[in-house]
Amino acid sequence: AQKVTQAQTEISVVEKEDVTLDCVYETRDTTYYLFWYKQPPSGELVFLIRRNSFDEQNEISGRYSWNFQKSTSSFNFTITASQVVDSAVYFCALSEWGGATNKLIFGTGTLLAVQP
Amino acid sequence: DGGITQSPKYLFRKEGQNVTLSCEQNLNHDAMYWYRQDPGQGLRLIYYSQIVNDFQKGDIAEGYSVSREKKESFPLTVTSAQKNPTAFYLCASSNRGLVGDEQFFGPGTRLTVL
Repeated sequence: AQKVTQAQTEISVVEKEDVTLDCVYETRDTTYYLFWYKQPPSGELVFLIRRNSFDEQNEISGRYSWNFQKSTSSFNFTITASQVVDSAVYFCALSEWGGATNKLIFGTGTLLAVQP
Repeated sequence: DGGITQSPKYLFRKEGQNVTLSCEQNLNHDAMYWYRQDPGQGLRLIYYSQIVNDFQKGDIAEGYSVSREKKESFPLTVTSAQKNPTAFYLCASSNRGLVGDEQFFGPGTRLTVL
């Protein structure tokens, strides 16, 4: 069965600390997509990254980086030198090719609080 | 600017009343979605539509209804049959509705049943 687990419910860090948000997924498909979304206090989800199952290359975008490991079914997200503006709920999500539709299966989210 | 608008931002409803949430997009996307978010939970899919005049139930469609008469509009009606309607509702769209397409989200509507 498909499932996304974000075991960290809340994380609190002090500004400039590095922080890693964990995401573990379950799927029977060999073709799938993984996503990270950010939900600031305003409520709107903001797309951060998409990764397909055939591309395990890690990605860096400014202070953000993602580590995709199929061997452990994980797609972790690291923020380097965190800032107060990074405070938000972060969701990891899965979309399966075998699902025939672009349905996103979300984890329960991780609330990140960055203290000044 | 292209994007998704949802209205109203906050909505209060008395028990037993139907209420309709609006979702409009000007991204020229084929596919649109409705998700529900409860505190401390991820988003769950209510309904989706990959093309005008066609829509499919998601995981939690009971007590909800939708229509897709125009490409840019996908209103959601929360009926009195929905047992726990108080939640945050998010509308999304994607270009073609294909697996892996990025979904763009609106600002959401917070519904409270009094």
